[in-house]
Amino acid sequence: EVQLVESGGGLVQPGGSLRLSCAASGFTFSSYWMSWVRQAPGKGLEWVANIKQDGSEKYYVDSVKGRFTISRDNAKNSLYLQMNSLRAEDTAVYYCARGRQGVIIGYFDYWGQGTLVTVSS
Amino acid sequence: SYELTQPPSVSVSPGQTARITCSGDALPKKYAYWYQQKSGQAPVLVIYEDSKRPSGIPERFSGSSSGTMATLTISGAQVEDEADYYCYSTDSSGNHSKFGGGTKLTVL
Repeated sequence: EVQLVESGGGLVQPGGSLRLSCAASGFTFSSYWMSWVRQAPGKGLEWVANIKQDGSEKYYVDSVKGRFTISRDNAKNSLYLQMNSLRAEDTAVYYCARGRQGVIIGYFDYWGQGTLVTVSS
Repeated sequence: SYELTQPPSVSVSPGQTARITCSGDALPKKYAYWYQQKSGQAPVLVIYEDSKRPSGIPERFSGSSSGTMATLTISGAQVEDEADYYCYSTDSSGNHSKFGGGTKLTVL
């Protein structure tokens, strides 16, 4: 059974940093694109970042470029999101999602339950 | 930047057909996908590659795409289909993902 379990969310002050983790199980992690998607309270889904199977390609939404870094450790079956210079508008539930096995991200077929990040003083 | 546009809300009575549209300039070349999200839950894929239905999704859910418009159709909508629905696709490079703004479906 495919499982994605996020952790690392919490309350952080504006300008602060946070690192999210996603533990994957039930599939060959190193064969899939992985992504982070967020959802601000009462708002819609927003794609944040994609990372290729071997970590050689990373793509970000414009609003987080230069502040967030997606990474992965295939030996540990784990996905990460390092978030720096956090702003109030980054407050959201952050979901880890599995992409496809091919050369492009495709779509997301499995999602975690999300971890809440709150940026507030 | 690339945009996918959905109506904010759609309302139907139980048993009626609900149609939710999604427009985007890259849709003639890129597949559309549809996610259902119920309150407090993670999204669930209900249509992939424009018109394919994942296993476990009821047959009343169908999808189509023509030109710059993709459509999710729920034939004979049920009360349990009340949810937010999001279309999803990628930009022309295939590297940047994008969700539509979401459509709140009310069935009552």
